Amino acid sequence: AQSVTQPDIHITVSEGASLELRCNYSYGATPYLFWYVQSPGQGLQLLLKYFSGDTLVQGIKGFEAEFKRSQSSFNLRKPSVHWSDAAEYFCAVGVGGGATNKLIFGTGTLLAVQP
Amino acid sequence: DVKVTQSSRYLVKRTGEKVFLECVQDMDHENMFWYRQDPGLGLRLIYFSYDVKMKEKGDIPEGYSVSREKKERFSLILESASTNQTSMYLCASSLIGRKGETQYFGPGTRLLVL
Repeated sequence: AQSVTQPDIHITVSEGASLELRCNYSYGATPYLFWYVQSPGQGLQLLLKYFSGDTLVQGIKGFEAEFKRSQSSFNLRKPSVHWSDAAEYFCAVGVGGGATNKLIFGTGTLLAVQP
Repeated sequence: DVKVTQSSRYLVKRTGEKVFLECVQDMDHENMFWYRQDPGLGLRLIYFSYDVKMKEKGDIPEGYSVSREKKERFSLILESASTNQTSMYLCASSLIGRKGETQYFGPGTRLLVL
């Protein structure tokens, strides 16, 4: 069955520290992978996505993610966290296709940033 | 910019009421989606639609129905609201096509059923 696992429910980092959020997926075919961010009280915004090609993907707000097929992972990273990065982060895998393309989401990781 | 709007940010309803949540997108997207978001459960798909008057059940359709009479508008209906439907509801839209199409989200409607 297709699924996405985000093992960390809650992470706290200090401002200026590096960040890595973990994501593991289960999907039989070539995965299409996404990271979304949700600021408090808001909808989701796309940070980046992976289709094929270079396994290191650059996104908005200084985020990047690396696809590792052997580990079924798509971890999100940022070298230096800013207070405005405090939000909830969701990893997702695209499934289906054509009229039935859908996303399966992980349960999210809530990021807190300490001054 | 893609814009997805939802009719209400906050809604308070009583048990047994019929509730309509409206979603409108302005990018001529074929696909539209309704999710509910609950702490610790992430986003769960309720229904989606890939064309006018076409709909497909998602993972948790029980207690909900949908309507898509126009391409830009997708409504979620709670026929008889119950307290366990208190949640955040998110609408999204995307182009039809590959499974890698980006979904664009509205700001969400926080529904409280008393």
